[in-house]
Amino acid sequence: GAVVSQHPSRVICKSGTSVKIECRSLDFQATTMFWYRQFPKQSLMLMATSNEGSKATYEQGVEKDKFLINHASLTLSTLTVTSAHPEDSSFYICSALLGGRETQYFGPGTRLLVL
Amino acid sequence: SQQGEEDPQALSIQEGENATMNCSYKTSINNLQWYRQNSGRGLVHLILIRSNEREKHSGRLRVTLDTSKKSSSLLITASRAADTASYFCATDADGTASKLTFGTGTRLQVTL
Repeated sequence: GAVVSQHPSRVICKSGTSVKIECRSLDFQATTMFWYRQFPKQSLMLMATSNEGSKATYEQGVEKDKFLINHASLTLSTLTVTSAHPEDSSFYICSALLGGRETQYFGPGTRLLVL
Repeated sequence: SQQGEEDPQALSIQEGENATMNCSYKTSINNLQWYRQNSGRGLVHLILIRSNEREKHSGRLRVTLDTSKKSSSLLITASRAADTASYFCATDADGTASKLTFGTGTRLQVTL
C-alpha cells in the first residue's frame, strides 16, 4: 500500500513555457503533500508543503509565483513551473503523508529539462 | 542550513561485505529516517528510529541513533549488488513529520 505516482516521469520543454507535474496518492488520502527538488548528485531540498484546500507553504528562497502548487483534492497535488528556464532543470519529487503516520511516501520523480 | 551531513559521500564494496553509512544532524529531532534512492528514481523508506531509541533492526539493516552526538549510522550486512543506490538520512525539522531535512547522502556501489 501507500503508493504515490507522478506524471509525467520526464519532460523536455522550451524556455519560457510552463510545465505541470501531477502527484497522486493512489490508495490513500493525503491531507499533506510535499514537493522537493533534487539536483544531480545532491540531496533533496524541500520546496513547499501542500495542504488540501489551502495555500501551500513555501520554503525560504522558493518563488511561489514561479512554482504554483495546487492541492485540490485529497489524492492530487500539482506543481506548475511557470515560464521555465534552463536553471529550473532538475528532478522534482513529491511525497505524501498518510494521516497519523510519520512516514512520507515518495513518488518516482519527474525529470524536467528546459532547453 | 539544517541539512545533515553523511559520510562517506561514496562507498564501494564487494558483494557479501558490510556497508556502514553515517549521518550527523544539527537540531533536536523527534525521529530519524533512512531512505534509499536508486539512480533517477524516487525514494524508498527503509527504517524509522525514534529519538528515544538507540538501535533498530530490519532484515539486513541495522540503525543506531546517538542523540547526544546527533548522529546515526546505517549498517547493511551481507550486501548484494541490488543494494547499489544512494542512501539518505532524514530528520523531522520541527518535531513532526511535516518537514523532513535530508542529509547529503551516501552513494553505495556493491560490486560482484
